[in-house]
This record gives sequence, structure tokens and C-alpha cells, in this order.
Amino acid sequence: NAGVTQTPKFQVLKTGQSMTLQCAQDMNHEYMSWYRQDPGMGLRLIHYSVGAGITDQGEVPNGYNVSRSTTEDFPLRLLSAAPSQTSVYFCASRRTGALGEKLFFGSGTQLSVL
Amino acid sequence: TQLLEQSPQFLSIQEGENLTVYCNSSSVFSSLQWYRQEPGEGPVLLVTVVTGGEVKKLKRLTFQFGDARKDSSLHITAAQPGDTGLYLCAGAPGNYGQNFVFGPGTRLSVLP
Repeated sequence: NAGVTQTPKFQVLKTGQSMTLQCAQDMNHEYMSWYRQDPGMGLRLIHYSVGAGITDQGEVPNGYNVSRSTTEDFPLRLLSAAPSQTSVYFCASRRTGALGEKLFFGSGTQLSVL
Repeated sequence: TQLLEQSPQFLSIQEGENLTVYCNSSSVFSSLQWYRQEPGEGPVLLVTVVTGGEVKKLKRLTFQFGDARKDSSLHITAAQPGDTGLYLCAGAPGNYGQNFVFGPGTRLSVLP
């Protein structure tokens, strides 16, 4: 039972570098999302997708891009990293339907931008 | 602007003590969820409360949803070190087009 898999677990970038955070889920959930978690701020929604080919912005989308070519994968791209993007990033997929709404989270990526 | 507030922000207690943490909002939610997050891991759902006034129990954890569906509380009886973690409340969307809203969390430390 893999659930939601995120890679890498840790990453250090220099300002201006780009990178992609990978996220994959094997539960066939249509909805996937990316959050960032900062001390005292809780989880803030960056981008989300309600299905393959469909993405939308969340609360804090600036500096991040996403795409959703398959149901399973939802990568998050930082095109030009900034120190303000130092955070812990979580990918989540969402179960809907008769069993009730539930978010399934990956184990997170701790990103430091120097 | 935080739609959900949680208190206290930090709580450190001895094993065996009881505690209550709170989640408050000025908004009405169709349901509220509580998640627990351990260091280095993602949040894991503990419970969903749906009906105003609802009380749910999960072993030593008791969850209550306010009558007006704007607030919730989590009570832990006889806390154990294994209860240590970050407790997050989340306002669940009323329909598929909406997104969850998370509070900032209560960080609980239970000392042996």
C-alpha cells in the first residue's frame, strides 16, 4: 500500500535554481494538491488538480507551476527558487464519495533555498 | 488571514494528564476534521465530525463539534508519550469544488 509517494525527502537549492518535486499516488484519486507548511502557518494550499489536464491555483501559487498529465502524477516545479520558498512541502490526494472526504498525504519534502 | 484558529499553540504535559485543544472559526463548515502529524511525516486523519453537537470517541481521544459548526475541541484522557505530535484541524469543503482549510496546529509534547 504505497499511497502517496513524494521525492526527494530533502533538497538544498541556491537562489535562482530550478527543481521539480515529484508526487505519485496509486489510489486512483482524481483530486491532488500541493501544500507548504511553515511554522505557525499551518498548511497552505499552493496548487490543486481535480483531474488529469485540469489544474488551478490555491492560496499561495506564486513561484510554482504544476501540470497533471496522468491521474497518478502531480509534479510541482520551482522555476527560480527564492529563500522565501524554504519550507516543507506536502502532496496530498483526496478521497471523495460514500466513504467520506479524506486527504492522504505524502511524507513531505524539506526544501532549503540559500 | 487564518480562517481557523487553534489554541493553545504549544502544550507540554506529563504522562497521565488530561488536556483539551481547541479549533475555532468565524465561518460555518460542513464538517471539521482532525489530523495528527508526527515529525518527518505527513498529517494523518484522526476523525471527521459532521453534525453540530456531535461527539466522537477514538480510544482516549474525544472530539466534539460545536452546535453552530464553527468550532471543535479535542480532549485527550491520560495522555501518553505516543500522543506527542502536531494536531491540525481542517475545515472540510461543502462540495467537490472547494478545498480544505487548515488551522496552524497545536504542538503537543507528552513527557514520560
